[in-house]
Order: sequence, then C-alpha cells, then structure tokens
Amino acid sequence: AQKITQTQPGMFVQEKEAVTLDCTYDTSDQSYGLFWYKQPSSGEMIFLIYQGSYDEQNATEGRYSLNFQKARKSANLVISASQLGDSAMYFCAMRELASGGSYIPTFGRGTSLIVHP
Amino acid sequence: DARVTQTPRDKVTEMGQEVTMRCQPILGHNTVFWYRQTMMQGLELLAYFRNRAPLDDSGMPKDRFSAEMPDATLATLKIQPSEPRDSAVYFCASGGGAVEEQFFGPGTRLTVL
Repeated sequence: AQKITQTQPGMFVQEKEAVTLDCTYDTSDQSYGLFWYKQPSSGEMIFLIYQGSYDEQNATEGRYSLNFQKARKSANLVISASQLGDSAMYFCAMRELASGGSYIPTFGRGTSLIVHP
Repeated sequence: DARVTQTPRDKVTEMGQEVTMRCQPILGHNTVFWYRQTMMQGLELLAYFRNRAPLDDSGMPKDRFSAEMPDATLATLKIQPSEPRDSAVYFCASGGGAVEEQFFGPGTRLTVL
C-alpha cells in the first residue's frame, strides 16, 4: 500500500487565486512528520513546509499553509495568491520511525501545478 | 548560502561501464540520502546515512549499486556495471535545519546507452 497518496497528477490555477494540493498518508506511528517540497523545471527540490504529528496548529510559511487533518490522515498544501513562479511539481513526503531507530522518508508521486496569467 | 553539491551534473555512459556520483553534504548535517527519480517510479530512496553509518539501503539493487561515506564531506554512489534501466536523475540530500528537513543537491542526470 502506498504510504503517501497524491491523487491530483495535474492542477491549474489562475494567477492570484488560491489552490489546494491534496495529500493523504498512511502510518500506524504516533510520531511522524509531514513535508512538502517544490520541484521547478530546473529540477532542484526545495523544502517548503513541515508539520509534526503532535503540532496542534496548522503550519504556515508565507503564502504556504498546511491543512493538517490528523483523523483523516490528510496534509493538504494551500498556496494563497498564486504566482507564475509557483508553476512546478509539488511533492508531499512523510518521515516515520523505522526499525533500528532511523527515520525513513517516503515521497508521493507529485502534483504538477500550472499557474495561468 | 550553504548548498549540497553533486558531481557530475550530467553523465552519458555505455552499458557495462562503472559510474561514480559524488555528493558534498552541507557542513554540520549528519544525515545523507541518495534518491533516484524517474517518470515511471517517481522518487525512490536508495540509501540513507546517519553520522556516516549506513542505516538503510533496502531500496538499492545490491548486486550493482554501492553507497559509501568515506568522510563527513563526501558521499558516493557507485554503479558497476551500469545498465540502460539505470538511466535517471540521482539526487543527494542532506538533513538539517530545525525539523531536519532535507536539502537537495541539483542532481546527476545519468544516461546509460
């Protein structure tokens, strides 16, 4: 079973509008972390935002916010006031504790976001 | 502005040749990851080091791939012999920061003919 599911292969949004990118996860751990990364056409992966499983408040970083619904195992990324430079692939990732005490990251398949002028 | 560096950025080689990719993690980061990205499989974790010790390489084909950290400033990923199905972008990332987020290098685009 996939640990991270991103159901939207592609999304389109008008410049200055808000957009939500979906992410659901599967874990039996109580302690885990959720991340979002951006990969523009240049190829480099850029960290955007983090949510810990024990954090009660939704994480925010500038125009990015994470809509964390723990009971639904959902960690959607909300980008407000979209800009043309937001056009990129977006990856949701989870870090959970593996046997041996190491933290293993797992990435989703990504969502391609295109921002229209 | 500290960055993860990877060399080479592009590599074209023939099937059967040895390929070595190098990564310099950010100074002070104690975790290093190797990933492979393809259209078909997405981003796959190949190997993971903490304090230079290999913690997980279950995602790596053991018969031809090997990953090492000879010192804290260098991580290597070696493929011997290379095959066309190894063609992909290989990313190195180091973990640090407040939540140990990963900082990715620019990647090595490998083409095996």
